[in-house]
Amino acid sequence: EVQLVESGGGLVPPGGSLRLSCAASGFTVSSNYMSWVRQAPGKGLEWVSIIYSGGGTDYAGAVKGRFTISRDNSKNTLHLQMNSLRVEDTAIYYCARDDVVVLPGAVPQYFYHGIDVWGQGTTVTVSS
Amino acid sequence: SSELTQPPSVSVSPGQTASITCSGDKLVDKYVCWYQQKPGQSPVVVIYQDTKRPSGIPERFSGSISGNTATLTISGTQAVDEADYHCQAWDTSTAGVFGGGTKLTVL
Repeated sequence: EVQLVESGGGLVPPGGSLRLSCAASGFTVSSNYMSWVRQAPGKGLEWVSIIYSGGGTDYAGAVKGRFTISRDNSKNTLHLQMNSLRVEDTAIYYCARDDVVVLPGAVPQYFYHGIDVWGQGTTVTVSS
Repeated sequence: SSELTQPPSVSVSPGQTASITCSGDKLVDKYVCWYQQKPGQSPVVVIYQDTKRPSGIPERFSGSISGNTATLTISGTQAVDEADYHCQAWDTSTAGVFGGGTKLTVL
């Protein structure tokens, strides 16, 4: 069964750090584009970060320089290291698999099919 | 703030057609997806690549795009469709950006 299970959320004071983990089963993390998406209480979804199958990464402006996405291929696990946390980082954090078809060539073509697998989410609360 | 603009709420009567819009710069040049999220649950994709419907999603869900506005249409809306709907725009230069979400109420 294809599944994502997050862990590591909790209560942390402003300025603190937290490391989220996402264990995948039924597929290989390193062969896919993987994202973190968060949702503040009562708000919409907010894309946070992505790690591409090739290992490159991207971040939303709000977290760039504070958050680091990584993966452990031996454990088929995705991580999000969150430093210098702010009250506005309070949210449910979802681990997600982006379904992307890439046609190789001189100019690769990308076909995005959306996020097809979501975790159940882990709650991060930043408060003093 | 979101770079994609959605109406905060839309109301529809059962059996009628609901339309939810998503506006953003150069949207036609990106892949637009729509997600349905019910309370306490993770989102589910209902439309991808602007107009395509994943297997298992009812035919009453459809997507369209014109210029800088994408639209999710639910024909013959049912009570079970009451949920939050989020649009997402994706391209290789900006990864994923979400709209603010729209709460669909089936009256």
